[in-house]
Amino acid sequence: RKEVEQDPGPFNVPEGATVAFNCTYSNSASQSFFWYRQDCRKEPKLLMSVYSSGNEDGRFTAQLNRASQYISLLIRDSKLSDSATYLCVVNFRLNAGNNRKLIWGLGTSLAVNP
Amino acid sequence: DGGITQSPKYLFRKEGQNVTLSCEQNLNHDAMYWYRQDPGQGLRLIYYSQIVNDFQKGDIAEGYSVSREKKESFPLTVTSAQKNPTAFYLCASSRRLTDTSETQYFGPGTRLLVL
Repeated sequence: RKEVEQDPGPFNVPEGATVAFNCTYSNSASQSFFWYRQDCRKEPKLLMSVYSSGNEDGRFTAQLNRASQYISLLIRDSKLSDSATYLCVVNFRLNAGNNRKLIWGLGTSLAVNP
Repeated sequence: DGGITQSPKYLFRKEGQNVTLSCEQNLNHDAMYWYRQDPGQGLRLIYYSQIVNDFQKGDIAEGYSVSREKKESFPLTVTSAQKNPTAFYLCASSRRLTDTSETQYFGPGTRLLVL
């Protein structure tokens, strides 16, 4: 099983739709989680950090389910400008020390159509 | 404006040549990172640095070298030993390495192509 898994998509949705992506992780010691957005041929940009039970920022809601080891990203009222690849990132502690590792998912591609 | 800059945007390498990618940040971040991104693959960590004059190998360090002589600069050299260097190279920084809540911020990237 991969350490971080995402459905690559693509998800094709009409403007105004609600769309959700999931990201599963294998390491139960994972401590923090992030969603990044990456536009074609550009660098990843932080979309949201996900702590404890999740958080919301405008049209975007991120949820964490530790029991089932997944995080989700919900986008409401999709805009054309939301078209991008969404990367799931998991940070977990490697051992009893301070060594941590950031694992990146391959991303989920979203295309919002007019 | 604070941020991370990378240069050049595109870089062409000839066989057997070493090339150096520049990364500079003015965010006063302690930690800096180099990643490589290939089509269909996630970001893979090449090297990272927690503090000046210290750096550690990531998952795919072979064929690469780095230095961290100044807090704001973390150049990456792609040596001739790297047999498949064509990729999108991303530099990132974060305030600290040891805090799990720290997010990473990326530069615009350098596309390296082999002639």
